[in-house]
Amino acid sequence: QVQLVQSGAEVKKPGASVKVSCKASGYTFTSYYMHWVRQAPGQGLEWMGVINPSGGSTSYAQKFQGRVTLTRDTSTSTVYMELSSLRSEDTAVYYCARDFVGSSSWCGYWGQGTLVTVSS
Amino acid sequence: DIVMTQSPDSLAVSLGERATINCKSSQSVLYSSNNKNFLAWYQQKPGQPPKVLIYWASTRESGVPDRFSGSGSGTDFTLTISSLQAEDVAVYYCQQYYSTPTFGGGTKVEIK
Repeated sequence: QVQLVQSGAEVKKPGASVKVSCKASGYTFTSYYMHWVRQAPGQGLEWMGVINPSGGSTSYAQKFQGRVTLTRDTSTSTVYMELSSLRSEDTAVYYCARDFVGSSSWCGYWGQGTLVTVSS
Repeated sequence: DIVMTQSPDSLAVSLGERATINCKSSQSVLYSSNNKNFLAWYQQKPGQPPKVLIYWASTRESGVPDRFSGSGSGTDFTLTISSLQAEDVAVYYCQQYYSTPTFGGGTKVEIK
C-alpha cells in the first residue's frame, strides 16, 4: 500500500531554513509527481509546489518562488522540501501528497504532516 | 492563479439532514478536450491530513460512502452530504487541478 512517511517536527529561528523529508513506499516512486501543501494553525490548505521524481523538474506557487526548493533522491524514494528565510508566518504543518494519476491531478495520498514552528 | 471561493464558511446540520457546500472558481476548470472538470473535494478531520472524497467533480473515491456526492461544471460546484452522520464532522475543501493547484478556504461542518 502507498505510504508517505515524513520527518519529525522542527523548531527554527526566524531567518533560518528547514528541510523536511518525505519517504515513499508501496509504488513506483518515479511514476508519480509529489506535491507539497502547508496548513497554518487553524487555517486552510495552501499548495506550495510539485516535483517530478523521475527527472527532478519542479513547479512552485508564485508565493514561494525563490524561497522553496523541492528535490528528490531516487535511491531512497525520498522527496525533500526546503524552505528558506523563515518567518513566523511559516509556522505550519507541511504535508507531502502524491499525485493520484501521475502528473497533474488531485492529491490521492498524504503524508502524516510535519509541524514546523518558527520562533525566536 | 485560479481563485476558489467556498461558501458557507461553516454550517450546522442536524443528524440525518442534508448538508450542501458550494465552491466557485474564478475561471472555468472544464477541459474541453475531454469534457472533464478538474475539481476535487477533500475532507479533513482534526489532527489528520486531508482525504480525497470526490475527483473529476463528481467521481466518488473508492470506499467513500454514497451519501457524499459532487456536482457542477465550469465554475460552480457543490458537495452534498445527503444524510449527515456524526463521523462527517470535518472541514471540507475544494481544489482545482486545471492549472497551478489552488484550494478553497474550507467549510466547517458541525452537528446542530
